[in-house]
Amino acid sequence: DQQVKQNSPSLSVQEGRISILNCDYTNSMFDYFLWYKKYPAEGPTFLISISSIKDKNEDGRFTVFLNKSAKHLSLHIVPSQPGDSAVYFCAGYGQNFVFGPGTRLSVLP
Amino acid sequence: KAGVTQTPRYLIKTRGQQVTLSCSPISGHRSVSWYQQTPGQGLQFLFEYFSETQRNKGNFPGRFSGRQFSNSRSEMNVSTLELGDSALYLCASSLDWQGATEAFFGQGTRLTVV
Repeated sequence: DQQVKQNSPSLSVQEGRISILNCDYTNSMFDYFLWYKKYPAEGPTFLISISSIKDKNEDGRFTVFLNKSAKHLSLHIVPSQPGDSAVYFCAGYGQNFVFGPGTRLSVLP
Repeated sequence: KAGVTQTPRYLIKTRGQQVTLSCSPISGHRSVSWYQQTPGQGLQFLFEYFSETQRNKGNFPGRFSGRQFSNSRSEMNVSTLELGDSALYLCASSLDWQGATEAFFGQGTRLTVV
C-alpha cells in the first residue's frame, strides 16, 4: 500500500513559468512532509519541508502547500529554471521517512 | 564540511553471494538511515541507526541487516543475494534522530546482482 503517491511520473514546463508538483498521502500520522530533488548519479537533496500543523512554507522560489483535509501537498517553483530539471520526491515523516515514487520535472528553455 | 560518503559506488555480485556496503555520515551526525531505490518502487526505507542502536526497521527480509559503529559509520549487509536486490542503495545522515532534522543523502551504491 503506497502511503505517499505522486501520480504524475513526469512534468514539462517552460522556463520562467510555474511548476506545480503534486503529492497525496494516506497516513494521517505523518508529523511533517519534505520535498527532495534528485539529479542523476547523485543522492537526493533536501529542498523544503512543512510541519503538519502548517499550511504553507516558502523558501525563495519554492513554496509548499499542505491541505490536510484533502491529504494533499504541492510544491510550487516560480519561476522555473532549466537547472530545476530533476526528479522530485515527496516524503512524509512519522516514525521514518516514506517517499513517493517521484516526478521527473523538465524545464524547457 | 565533507558530505555523506558511500563506498563502493558500484558493485556487481552473483546470486547467492553476500555484500557489505559502507556509509560515513557527515561529521557530528549520529543518525544513519538506509534506503533502497528501484525504478518500480521508488525510495524504500530499510532501517535507521542512532547511537549504534537500530531505531527503526522497514519491511525487508532478514537477509538485509546493518550496524553502526561508535564513530557513527554504518554498514549494511545483504546475504544470499537475489536478482531483485539489484538497486541503488542510499544512505542518509541526520544530526539527530530523523524526526528532528532533514536527512542528507550520499551518492549511493549501485548494486547489480547477476
